Amino acid sequence: KAGVTQTPRYLIKTRGQQVTLSCSPISGHRSVSWYQQTPGQGLQFLFEYFSETQRNKGNFPGRFSGRQFSNSRSEMNVSTLELGDSALYLCASKTERLSDTQYFGPGTRLLVL
Amino acid sequence: QKEVEQDPGPLSVPEGAIVSLNCTYSNSAFQYFMWYRQYSRKGPELLMYTYSSGNKEDGRFTAQVDKSSKYISLFIRDSQPSDSATYLCAMSVTVQGAQKLVFGQGTRLTINP
Repeated sequence: KAGVTQTPRYLIKTRGQQVTLSCSPISGHRSVSWYQQTPGQGLQFLFEYFSETQRNKGNFPGRFSGRQFSNSRSEMNVSTLELGDSALYLCASKTERLSDTQYFGPGTRLLVL
Repeated sequence: QKEVEQDPGPLSVPEGAIVSLNCTYSNSAFQYFMWYRQYSRKGPELLMYTYSSGNKEDGRFTAQVDKSSKYISLFIRDSQPSDSATYLCAMSVTVQGAQKLVFGQGTRLTINP
């Protein structure tokens, strides 16, 4: 079974721009979560989508948004980019069973100049 | 105070040594406990997953959970240079019917040949 895939793998943007990241979950996984990873803050939860609905949200500003499509693929958007948004953005998928854990993609490394 | 505390290291040990990695937590509602391994420029990879107090062994890896002390550990026996990576502990709690994962800061481990 193919793992979680994320595109693009690397991205360079400038302050004020917006960016859209994409995630394809493992086949059969309907839950998709997004995380931001930085050296200073570690892995921080952004939001989770399940069946096209946002089910959980972390403590990030409204510039960070996401959506999920009917095939469970998900996109994350960051508007008005700031230098501090430079990070590795990770997507993770899981089944709907609470006892199952999440499987991560390779991440998208975003650099904001 | 963070919900999950993990010493970021770095930790450097000789090949063949036993490695002990630890996390403490404050939220007694955490139900599931995980260890992820993350190589440089890759996404986290699930190593161990457990939900009860006690030990769980998988090859050279042993995960230990002590819910009464709110303490989890990962032991690596006969450590190899290929074990050099960042190790992240993670814990999950059910929030509004969904699983929320909280990660430790990660411990950077180097195994020296």
